[in-house]
Amino acid sequence: DTGVSQNPRHKITKRGQNVTFRCDPISEHNRLYWYRQTLGQGPEFLTYFQNEAQLEKSRLLSDRFSAERPKGSFSTLEIQRTEQGDSAMYLCASSSYRGKYNEQFFGPGTRLTVL
Amino acid sequence: DAKTTQPNSMESNEEEPVHLPCNHSTISGTDYIHWYRQLPSQGPEYVIHGLTSNVNNRMASLAIAEDRKSSTLILHRATLRDAAVYYCIKGGNKLVFGAGTILRVKS
Repeated sequence: DTGVSQNPRHKITKRGQNVTFRCDPISEHNRLYWYRQTLGQGPEFLTYFQNEAQLEKSRLLSDRFSAERPKGSFSTLEIQRTEQGDSAMYLCASSSYRGKYNEQFFGPGTRLTVL
Repeated sequence: DAKTTQPNSMESNEEEPVHLPCNHSTISGTDYIHWYRQLPSQGPEYVIHGLTSNVNNRMASLAIAEDRKSSTLILHRATLRDAAVYYCIKGGNKLVFGAGTILRVKS
């Protein structure tokens, strides 16, 4: 399967702990996006990378959140000092941007539960 | 940046066409109109996109109003597997999702 993969699929943590999620995009896709989705809502944009450069960050991405894409391939999203409000599905998507329209391919998501 | 406006939910019978409307009155000249759908327990999936002209692909058709302030996603023959939340999005590469339309398909 050459789709977008995310690990872990589920994460349960206690408030105050740090968590890290990984996203592996489709091979050779140069853009990678992170979204967050809470129950009953559409996904909310968090940030995106073109290759290793982080080009945009939403104001939703507080100081406790950090995302990296060190070699322009996989990406990690870390949440420090988790809060109950961080409980959500974290979705990753990738696309191949060549100056024209590019559809995004989404992974299955990582469901975070903060107790 | 205002999101699009869609009905909360719609219902269709299996094997019948479905027309999902979307209003995007604040659309700019360079904004695409994208449609994605999300099946239960899955990430969103691309359906179709357009800029000015109507578009067809293997999944659906997209009819765009002349003034581009509204569009309609057309599923020609709904199946049970088309039951999902359908999101209409305007903009560029950063997708700004609204709450979408929950499509229920009855057998």
